[in-house]
Amino acid sequence: EPEVTQTPSHQVTQMGQEVILRCVPISNHLYFYWYRQILGQKVEFLVSFYNNEISEKSEIFDDQFSVERPDGSNFTLKIRSTKLEDSAMYFCASSLQGSGGPLLDEQFFGPGTRLTVL
Amino acid sequence: AQTVTQSQPEMSVQEAETVTLSCTYDTSESDYYLFWYKQPPSRQMILVIRQEAYKQQNATENRFSVNFQKAAKSFSLKISDSQLGDAAMYFCAYRSEYNQGGKLIFGQGTELSVKP
Repeated sequence: EPEVTQTPSHQVTQMGQEVILRCVPISNHLYFYWYRQILGQKVEFLVSFYNNEISEKSEIFDDQFSVERPDGSNFTLKIRSTKLEDSAMYFCASSLQGSGGPLLDEQFFGPGTRLTVL
Repeated sequence: AQTVTQSQPEMSVQEAETVTLSCTYDTSESDYYLFWYKQPPSRQMILVIRQEAYKQQNATENRFSVNFQKAAKSFSLKISDSQLGDAAMYFCAYRSEYNQGGKLIFGQGTELSVKP
């Protein structure tokens, strides 16, 4: 069964460094998402991406964040200058469509990348 | 803005028994979707069940069913005949019908343990 994969599973970085989190969505999916979960808190929406453009972004997704689909398979989240408060689990998800009913808009999640900023 | 609240951080159930996980939400919209996601330890979040707000009938998927009370803005998940494999974190989530981008709004999660 197709799965969303994410690499690395754990990333440790120094404050101020740039990190790139990578995701491989399910191959025929068209919508891509990033969510994050700070330890002990809710899973929070960061951004959705469709047709090589950001569809929606949250207030968390400021100028330090960017997303890209550099080729036909990868979807990346870049944090330009990491802060301590960026430490969280980052989840990538993908769906066939953004809406439209069961199976069409179901979001499939990856296992997450745990980002630790020291 | 919409919010989702899960007031039970942890729940426990005996194997083969029934457990109900609670979720409330706040919205001014009339059309939306509600979801329960399951996240087993160190594994992907997977969709358990969904409910369209325009449907009065409660959704069911095998041993999983919901009690959707639109007026009360309540969306609880019932797991019948609990199995050891049901042990996981369960997240309630909301998605607006008017949001074509698919943004999900999650609750805090309820960690369910199943005792043999």
